[in-house]
Amino acid sequence: GAGVSQSPSNKVTEKGKDVELRCDPISGHTALYWYRQSLGQGLEFLIYFQGNSAPDKSGLPSDRFSAERTGGSVSTLTIQRTQQEDSAVYLCASSLDPLLAYSSYNEQFFGPGTRLTVL
Amino acid sequence: EDQVTQSPEALRLQEGESSSLNCSYTVSGLRGLFWYRQDPGKGPEFLFTLYSAGEEKEKERLKATLTKKESFLHITAPKPEDSATYLCAVQARNRDDKIIFGKGTRLHILP
Repeated sequence: GAGVSQSPSNKVTEKGKDVELRCDPISGHTALYWYRQSLGQGLEFLIYFQGNSAPDKSGLPSDRFSAERTGGSVSTLTIQRTQQEDSAVYLCASSLDPLLAYSSYNEQFFGPGTRLTVL
Repeated sequence: EDQVTQSPEALRLQEGESSSLNCSYTVSGLRGLFWYRQDPGKGPEFLFTLYSAGEEKEKERLKATLTKKESFLHITAPKPEDSATYLCAVQARNRDDKIIFGKGTRLHILP
């Protein structure tokens, strides 16, 4: 596709409900990243996929957060039993192949984000 | 611990007033340093990747430089459309390719 797309663009939910956020990376990009950005804060790394596997899950804030990627393409980030502190913009990015050093393959292209508000 | 610190947090300049943004980093083996631009309500937009000390890259009014401890984003004769938040990020060689972002510098160019 032309770029990374994310859906929904906005999600308002009630505390305790589950939400699912979707990311469609650029076609052919092997790596996919999820970040969280709170107001006035930098990007907080959540999880990284190389293909369908996630070598680095260290950024997931709690066991309420999970993510999967199927077919080396679309990824979903699921937040169970949402809390008010989960409110943030969730950004997805993809890159060609981050394992190749000294190349342009690890440049990340970001989607527009999903703004999550937990009431 | 790998760390990225950007300064200043915010910067207001007059149109045409050149300046520099700083990104200081501590990482156990640098794989790459990235600069991004982020406009309000949008995802970050890639600007540059730097891989080794002494490297420089330019794009229009922006030039990024890299040393072993920091990177600078120089903005020459900025225009109001350069107003944005500029993010710096580093990728460490031995951290499973995790990329660590700084909190950014909010740049506002006054006409």
